[in-house]
Amino acid sequence: GEDVEQSLFLSVREGDSSVINCTYTDSSSTYLYWYKQEPGAGLQLLTYIFSNMDMKQDQRLTVLLNKKDKHLSLRIADTQTGDSAIYFCAEIYGANNLFFGTGTRLTVIP
Amino acid sequence: DADVTQTPRNRITKTGKRIMLECSQTKGHDRMYWYRQDPGLGLQLIYYSFDVKDINKGEISDGYSVSRQAQAKFSLSLESAIPNQTALYFCATSDFKGDRVGGELFFGEGSRLTVL
Repeated sequence: GEDVEQSLFLSVREGDSSVINCTYTDSSSTYLYWYKQEPGAGLQLLTYIFSNMDMKQDQRLTVLLNKKDKHLSLRIADTQTGDSAIYFCAEIYGANNLFFGTGTRLTVIP
Repeated sequence: DADVTQTPRNRITKTGKRIMLECSQTKGHDRMYWYRQDPGLGLQLIYYSFDVKDINKGEISDGYSVSRQAQAKFSLSLESAIPNQTALYFCATSDFKGDRVGGELFFGEGSRLTVL
């Protein structure tokens, strides 16, 4: 079955870079996603990467994909207190459903 | 107004009671989903529906049922609630058709259910 693994917690100081890692199982996934969940809210799509790409940059966000190792990472540059949230990676499986990882709770220390 | 609305936002109930969580959307999407979130377990798919006549079980459908009353409405029922169904429940929609951002789900704000 599907399995998407993430570390549960990450703490960084404001202004530093954050790197959130994810490993997934389905090598046929065409897209991989990062979702953000702020306190008391539902998830929102943050960014995504197509499986034939190695890297995607979007302002402060950089997504790196290593297909050989089935490893996905999200780097947030100049992390701010507003970036404190839970970050989920997700892959597509089956009838185009998303399988979510366990989520990484990012805490930004002022 | 929110595009995906869940009611109730919070509910405390007792073991054995029937509970219904409702979801309505104004996005005009065909696909609707119910997920359950537990700390450290991420989101698990309970049921999903690709249109009004199409209902499918997800990873953890036991103990749950759903009804797709209209394109815009998808409700989740717990026929006889038990304490391990205490969780945060999310409804989501998508118009996934295999395009390049097809994995974008739009989530409601969640319904927190406590079963005593």
